[in-house]
Amino acid sequence: DGGITQSPKYLFRKEGQNVTLSCEQNLNHDAMYWYRQDPGQGLRLIYYSQIVNDFQKGDIAEGYSVSREKKESFPLTVTSAQKNPTAFYLCASSIGASGGPAKNIQYFGAGTRLSVL
Amino acid sequence: RKEVEQDPGPFNVPEGATVAFNCTYSNSASQSFFWYRQDCRKEPKLLMSVYSSGNEDGRFTAQLNRASQYISLLIRDSKLSDSATYLCVVNPLTDSWGKLQFGAGTQVVVTP
Repeated sequence: DGGITQSPKYLFRKEGQNVTLSCEQNLNHDAMYWYRQDPGQGLRLIYYSQIVNDFQKGDIAEGYSVSREKKESFPLTVTSAQKNPTAFYLCASSIGASGGPAKNIQYFGAGTRLSVL
Repeated sequence: RKEVEQDPGPFNVPEGATVAFNCTYSNSASQSFFWYRQDCRKEPKLLMSVYSSGNEDGRFTAQLNRASQYISLLIRDSKLSDSATYLCVVNPLTDSWGKLQFGAGTQVVVTP
């Protein structure tokens, strides 16, 4: 089955620790995204990547880092600089520029819930 | 003003009834719109896309009003399984593609 796999489902971070959230897709999509969702708020874009080896900051990139070394993978690191990391993190992908009208449709993984110990 | 605004609800709907709610957006150049459904503690899933004046898929109808800059979602013959939060999503075209704007969602609760 094609889809987006996020792991782990739950993650706990100790103070001063960096943690990495995994996101893998087998949809052959060019674009990938990381969002953060807090209760009662809309999704906020952390980072996005339109192509391998390239990525851009979203609206709330401070305290986060990403890499895009492979088309299938877009891991997110929550660094110790992110002082309020507790949230639901969602990874998404879309076909990309070659996708015609459907290029903007984003498909989501099941998410990772990050909490601070 | 938020880029995409939705009434948070909840909209309490008797089973079998019709419910409708709106979403307003701030960028008049926006070209494509989406409704996603998000169940509690789950990921958003695409419900329907809206590229022109509207779209219909079974019991769900989306209408786009460009002059007033809002889209609506109507659910007919509501089922218990329709209980969810419905996210309005807008492609603002400030970039050529990719960066979507998400509303905070409208909660719908269908009761027996």
